[in-house]
Amino acid sequence: GESVGLHLPTLSVQEGDNSIINCAYSNSASDYFIWYKQESGKGPQFIIDIRSNMDKRQGQRVTVLLNKTVKHLSLQIAATQPGDSAVYFCAERGSGKSTFGDGTTLTVKP
Amino acid sequence: DGGITQSPKYLFRKEGQNVTLSCEQNLNHDAMYWYRQDPGQGLRLIYYSQIVNDFQKGDIAEGYSVSREKKESFPLTVTSAQKNPTAFYLCASSRDRSTGELFFGEGSRLTVL
Repeated sequence: GESVGLHLPTLSVQEGDNSIINCAYSNSASDYFIWYKQESGKGPQFIIDIRSNMDKRQGQRVTVLLNKTVKHLSLQIAATQPGDSAVYFCAERGSGKSTFGDGTTLTVKP
Repeated sequence: DGGITQSPKYLFRKEGQNVTLSCEQNLNHDAMYWYRQDPGQGLRLIYYSQIVNDFQKGDIAEGYSVSREKKESFPLTVTSAQKNPTAFYLCASSRDRSTGELFFGEGSRLTVL
């Protein structure tokens, strides 16, 4: 079956540093991927998405990279801020539903 | 403002009782979803609906039921058959079944006493 996983459950970075959160997926037919941010006690919020016909997509301070050869995607956050502290999920969208990984908890140290 | 509204935010239930969690959206989205989240884990799909009067089981549908009588509403009932119902429940919607991101509500935390 499908599965989406993240390499590390926790990540701690210094304020101002860049953060990289990784995700591996198993369904080679997946064609749409989304990163979400979830703050404590709240619902996840959309950060950025990427389709399988792209390798890279940039947003404001965030970049998503997709490597279809090894079925891996990553979220890069530039100049990480305390407000970036949250749980980050990657999700694969297909067959009318989204499959989520377990999440990486990002902690930003001042 | 448009969005997803879940209620109640916190709910306590005795064993053997059914409870219904409300989810309403005013985004005019066709598709709606229910996910369950346990501590330190990702989101697992319970049920989803791509159109009014139609819904499909997700990965962990046992012990749950849903209805989709109106486009804007997708209530979830946690029945007494659900063996471990204590969890954080998240409702979401998307424009349609295949495109766009999910928009989530603030969640409902159910605790079984």
